[in-house]
Amino acid sequence: QSALTQPASVSGSPGQSITISCTGTSSDVESYNLVSWYQQHPGKAPKLVIYEINKRPSGVSNRFSGSKSGNTASLTISGLQAEDEADYYCTSYRGSTSPYLFGTGTKVTVL
Amino acid sequence: QVQLVESGGGVVQPGRSLRLSCAASGFTFSYYFMHWVRQAPGKGLECVAVISSDGSNKYYGDSVKGRFTISRDNSKNTLYLQMNSLRAEDTAVYYCAKDDYMDAWGKGTTVTVSS
Repeated sequence: QSALTQPASVSGSPGQSITISCTGTSSDVESYNLVSWYQQHPGKAPKLVIYEINKRPSGVSNRFSGSKSGNTASLTISGLQAEDEADYYCTSYRGSTSPYLFGTGTKVTVL
Repeated sequence: QVQLVESGGGVVQPGRSLRLSCAASGFTFSYYFMHWVRQAPGKGLECVAVISSDGSNKYYGDSVKGRFTISRDNSKNTLYLQMNSLRAEDTAVYYCAKDDYMDAWGKGTTVTVSS
């Protein structure tokens, strides 16, 4: 497997909630609770917004939340704001012999 | 505050070599796993290599295995990526990132492989 599967794009209006899915396999997402999410604005480095499925780093808005069911993890952004418009990537640990696997990326558009 | 600064990128011909560096500050470098992650133009993120805190364990993505070598010098708080036999498809922005969670990233250094 070369990448976790994410929808190419998700959009929503300001104030709405959106959810981005991240589908893996029994070798990665399903087997480990080490799923993280990153936000990347154009021309910028990625920024960690969720780690260990549903934990938020200090300074990250509580509008960001995460969950997991089986081989699919999800990132929910509630109260969508213009500044949330960015690309989002998930990543999952997949065992001690392989690097982390990234998702294909999702472009979030605020309408 | 945590700071990661990559350097060493540039334009290189196919088949040649390049060494990237990542200077770390603001945290105890020797405590943490470190990653090299790349992003080809207009593409997604790819984890290229990971190294354990003491440098004893190293892991590579399939696309670079046998060509790239990750290393670190904890006395200099610096992470390295030696890239050999470079190909056009290695063209990307290369980022270093801290810890299992990749909770801090540098701004990246651009590598262009072209004749």
